[in-house]
Amino acid sequence: AQKITQTQPGMFVQEKEAVTLDCTYDTSDPSYGLFWYKQPSSGEMIFLIYQGSYDQQNATEGRYSLNFQKARKSANLVISASQLGDSAMYFCAMRGLNTGNQFYFGTGTSLTVIP
Amino acid sequence: DTAVSQTPKYLVTQMGNDKSIKCEQNLGHDTMYWYKQDSKKFLKIMFSYNNKELIINETVPNRFSPKSPDKAHLNLHINSLELGDSAVYFCASSQGGTIGSPLHFGNGTRLTVT
Repeated sequence: AQKITQTQPGMFVQEKEAVTLDCTYDTSDPSYGLFWYKQPSSGEMIFLIYQGSYDQQNATEGRYSLNFQKARKSANLVISASQLGDSAMYFCAMRGLNTGNQFYFGTGTSLTVIP
Repeated sequence: DTAVSQTPKYLVTQMGNDKSIKCEQNLGHDTMYWYKQDSKKFLKIMFSYNNKELIINETVPNRFSPKSPDKAHLNLHINSLELGDSAVYFCASSQGGTIGSPLHFGNGTRLTVT
């Protein structure tokens, strides 16, 4: 069975500091992809970053990086130099080779950036 | 250029009514989805179509009926609306069978049933 777990319902971070949002997953798929999405208070779902299970390096996109630890089945999102606009819900998701069209989402983490 | 567009953005209606939400994508994807997001922000898959064929049909009341006239469109019709149907409904698209292809979401339709 495929499962995504986000254990932090809410997180706070000081502006300009870095923050790590946790995501663990469970899958029997030999090949899979991991995604992070941001949902600000305006409601839209914004794709942030992708990590493939066979990628040798951790993914980075601007201030976002993904700390991928395959043996631990974790794919934590790191946001560096937090900005007020980073305050939002963040969702981790997974897609497997054998379940190619199904995406599995975690329950989300609400991040608040404090000025 | 809006990649995934859904209309309307807001829908307020009374119990028992029938309503539709329309979705279109111009990304050339072959797979489209409907998700429901409840008040706790949990995202639940409802349906998925690949090249107009239904491939995912989660446990959803049969008052919900998706229709995909072509691979760029996926509409959602809801009959006999109930209070519990109040939620945000997201349309999304992706390229099927490609694990690196992310979901691209529409902006959501906030449905309120009174």
